[in-house]
Amino acid sequence: GESVGLHLPTLSVQEGDNSIINCAYSNSASDYFIWYKQESGKGPQFIIDIRSNMDKRQGQRVTVLLNKTVKHLSLQIAATQPGDSAVYFCAETVGQNFVFGPGTRLSVLP
Amino acid sequence: DSGVTQTPKHLITATGQRVTLRCSPRSGDLSVYWYQQSLDQGLQFLIHYYNGEERAKGNILERFSAQQFPDLHSELNLSSLELGDSALYFCASSVGVHEQRNGYTFGSGTRLTVV
Repeated sequence: GESVGLHLPTLSVQEGDNSIINCAYSNSASDYFIWYKQESGKGPQFIIDIRSNMDKRQGQRVTVLLNKTVKHLSLQIAATQPGDSAVYFCAETVGQNFVFGPGTRLSVLP
Repeated sequence: DSGVTQTPKHLITATGQRVTLRCSPRSGDLSVYWYQQSLDQGLQFLIHYYNGEERAKGNILERFSAQQFPDLHSELNLSSLELGDSALYFCASSVGVHEQRNGYTFGSGTRLTVV
């Protein structure tokens, strides 16, 4: 399949370690955020979301943290696995639509 | 399979030509969104249709147009193609307009290469 091929910041993590992917968002009025995962040859897939009235939300192996003071969002992946290798995007709501961040490529090392 | 179908998967065409990309939304979804993903600009929102009507426009060039048909499938028309139009084009769908639960469901994209 096609890879995204973007000129992206890359995070390399050893298999089994925890990963932290960061995102700075632009609109202080945004009230809903999503992290997407994009594997090679596929479209972005929903991972986890968070509303602006929360600071933290946990899913299965993933946690999203929201710091509205500095407009910062992070995605934590516990016990990173080879299948986690992908490009990760944060998205914020602006009006009726989502605006995506530039993305981070996560590379899991054996 | 996300339920959002995009065709074709790959398209190679010459500069100056016109192409049509097709998207069938997930069953039950009334909103269709088009995004362009290029090397240096990430995912850029192009246009949003809801139940056949245009609802929002993003950074869509005048050479590009879209429509959503009564059966809810959508087409993105790209004309007078330039080398810089080479990109991945994604379609996404959601149930409603102000859909903020679980975001959008994306298709696998169409890779357009303009030569």
